[in-house]
Amino acid sequence: QQPVQSPQAVILREGEDAVINCSSSKALYSVHWYRQKHGEAPVFLMILLKGGEQKGHEKISASFNEKKQQSSLYLTASQLSYSGTYFCGSLDNAGGTSYGKLTFGQGTILTVHP
Amino acid sequence: NAGVTQTPKFQVLKTGQSMTLQCAQDMNHNSMYWYRQDPGMGLRLIYYSASEGTTDKGEVPNGYNVSRLNKREFSLRLESAAPSQTSVYFCASTFDASGPNEQFFGPGTRLTVL
Repeated sequence: QQPVQSPQAVILREGEDAVINCSSSKALYSVHWYRQKHGEAPVFLMILLKGGEQKGHEKISASFNEKKQQSSLYLTASQLSYSGTYFCGSLDNAGGTSYGKLTFGQGTILTVHP
Repeated sequence: NAGVTQTPKFQVLKTGQSMTLQCAQDMNHNSMYWYRQDPGMGLRLIYYSASEGTTDKGEVPNGYNVSRLNKREFSLRLESAAPSQTSVYFCASTFDASGPNEQFFGPGTRLTVL
C-alpha cells in the first residue's frame, strides 16, 4: 500500500521552515526521501533505517518513528533551490529479493518564494 | 561517468504498436528498476532486477516485459501499447547488496500512446 504524505502542497518564503510527513499502514524497514524538480529525475535526499541508522548527503534532517510507522522531513531556513516535489518511499520488508523495492507516496509540492 | 542513461527521451506510439525502452548504468550497480510516473500518482515500480539474470514484478507489471541483458543494461518492452501506458518512465539503479542505498535515476522517457 502506498504511504500517505502530508501536506499535499506547501508554500514558503525564503528562510521559513517546513515539515513533510509520510505515514504507512505497514511496519517499515526503511524510509527513503527524494526530491524532484519539474521535468527532471528524482534525486536522493536521505534514507532512514529501522534501528536509527541514517544515510544522506544533504543538509536536510529527518526522523523515523518505527512504532508509529511515520517519517518526517524537516526543511529549515528554506532556500529557493528547495522548491520541487518531495517523495517518500517505504520498504516494508528487510529485503526479500531487493532492498530497493520501494513504494512511493503521492508527493508533496514545495514552493519557495523570494 | 555517465550515470544512468535512457533512450529514447521522447516517443509517440499508436495503440497496438510495440517498443523497447533502453537503460544502461556505468556504476557497477547490482540492482536496476523501472518506474512509471503519472500526475498525482508518484512513482510506481513496474519491474526490478536485483542482480544480473534475475527479474521480478513490481506494483504495476501488466502490459510490460523486461530483460536484464547484462549487469549494465535493463530494458523495458511494451508488446502492444495502450493509451493507459502514456506516462513518464524512469530507470534507476543502486548498489544494495548489503542494505538499502541511494537510487540513481535516469533522465526519463516521455511516452505518449495515441
